[in-house]
Amino acid sequence: DAGVTQSPTHLIKTRGQQVTLRCSPKSGHDTVSWYQQALGQGPQFIFQYYEEEERQRGNFPDRFSGHQFPNYSSELNVNALLLGDSALYLCASSETSGSYYEQYFGPGTRLTVT
Amino acid sequence: AQRVTQPEKLLSVFKGAPVELKCNYSYSGSPELFWYVQYSRQRLQLLLRHISRESIKGFTADLNKGETSFHLKKPFAQEEDSAMYYCALTSETSGSRLTFGEGTQLTVNP
Repeated sequence: DAGVTQSPTHLIKTRGQQVTLRCSPKSGHDTVSWYQQALGQGPQFIFQYYEEEERQRGNFPDRFSGHQFPNYSSELNVNALLLGDSALYLCASSETSGSYYEQYFGPGTRLTVT
Repeated sequence: AQRVTQPEKLLSVFKGAPVELKCNYSYSGSPELFWYVQYSRQRLQLLLRHISRESIKGFTADLNKGETSFHLKKPFAQEEDSAMYYCALTSETSGSRLTFGEGTQLTVNP
């Protein structure tokens, strides 16, 4: 099991453009969360998907949207990119069974907005 | 609102010295606290969580609800402990959603 995988590794976009980031969860996991990590900061929760629906959302504008597919993989879409969206975007997967949901993180996608 | 504070961005110790990474939190309910670690060129991974009360790689952390702290300790630091350490919190209402601190970069010098 390769664990959580993310693509692409790096991405450079221009302000105003749109971007899609992809995540495949760890085998057996059905819940995917997305985090934004700005330089020098801890990861910040964007949203979480379970059963193809957004279950929780952090304090991010509607320009940030997502999707989960029947195979549990997920996409993060960001519209109208701003310079401040430059960050490392982390995907984490977990399973919903049990009372404790350990998060397994992917390597991240480094987004640079110019 | 949930908040995690790690007061030290950088911490440098010598090999064999004790190390303590500080973490304070604010949450009125019953939190679950975690320490995550990111070694150079590796992904973020769970180091330990307070509910398991276990020692991982010689590290321990005790939840002090009175002081709202969850400091990470190791009696004898090793060079391979050099990494970025993040304290994180979740709660009974937030499920697996994690609130992270800003992280502490630990450097263990030979």
